[in-house]
Amino acid sequence: SQQGEEDPQALSIQEGENATMNCSYKTSINNLQWYRQNSGRGLVHLILIRSNEREKHSGRLRVTLDTSKKSSSLLITASRAADTASYFCATGHGSSNTGKLIFGQGTTLQVKP
Amino acid sequence: DTGVSQDPRHKITKRGQNVTFRCDPISEHNRLYWYRQTLGQGPEFLTYFQNEAQLEKSRLLSDRFSAERPKGSFSTLEIQRTEQGDSAMYLCASSSSRGGGTQETQYFGPGTRLLVL
Repeated sequence: SQQGEEDPQALSIQEGENATMNCSYKTSINNLQWYRQNSGRGLVHLILIRSNEREKHSGRLRVTLDTSKKSSSLLITASRAADTASYFCATGHGSSNTGKLIFGQGTTLQVKP
Repeated sequence: DTGVSQDPRHKITKRGQNVTFRCDPISEHNRLYWYRQTLGQGPEFLTYFQNEAQLEKSRLLSDRFSAERPKGSFSTLEIQRTEQGDSAMYLCASSSSRGGGTQETQYFGPGTRLLVL
């Protein structure tokens, strides 16, 4: 079963605009990761935020985590056409030693040139 | 390129046939995962290996599915008597636990897309 709920399911913006995607989850986590997937391809890791962190940056990406609300957001600033992809949040759980990830259903982002 | 590789990239088979997929993880990674992804959904966990030991299997992994990692390096996923519902992308990922804990990044391969006719 999937834990994450992502919002919105689809997002269409113009190049240069910012894109914000949200992820909510149900049970306590060890970490939360964001991945990107281009159509029909494998997943590319973007960023990992630990449960004791609140915000993290990587280039044009900004991730926030609110464990009290069990939610995270991914902000892509100054979007480019090449950012067009599906974005997934995935949670890692402290109750398991396997490190397996539980994914949300994803947000499909389209950036129009 | 020393990333995760998967073979084949695409497989078309007839219902009832057996198929086997291979995953080669990043060489220094001791953890290996299999996930399945259907259209429009996020990946779902199937099974996990630490070195050669299979430590967890999802309830999604029916008796028709078997995975091995005999020498703690590459892994195979076999599906026996395939059904149309097995059509999906099968993704392999690897990570290293040697830093301690479970907070490591998983690196994914390109996936094997299976179509069962």
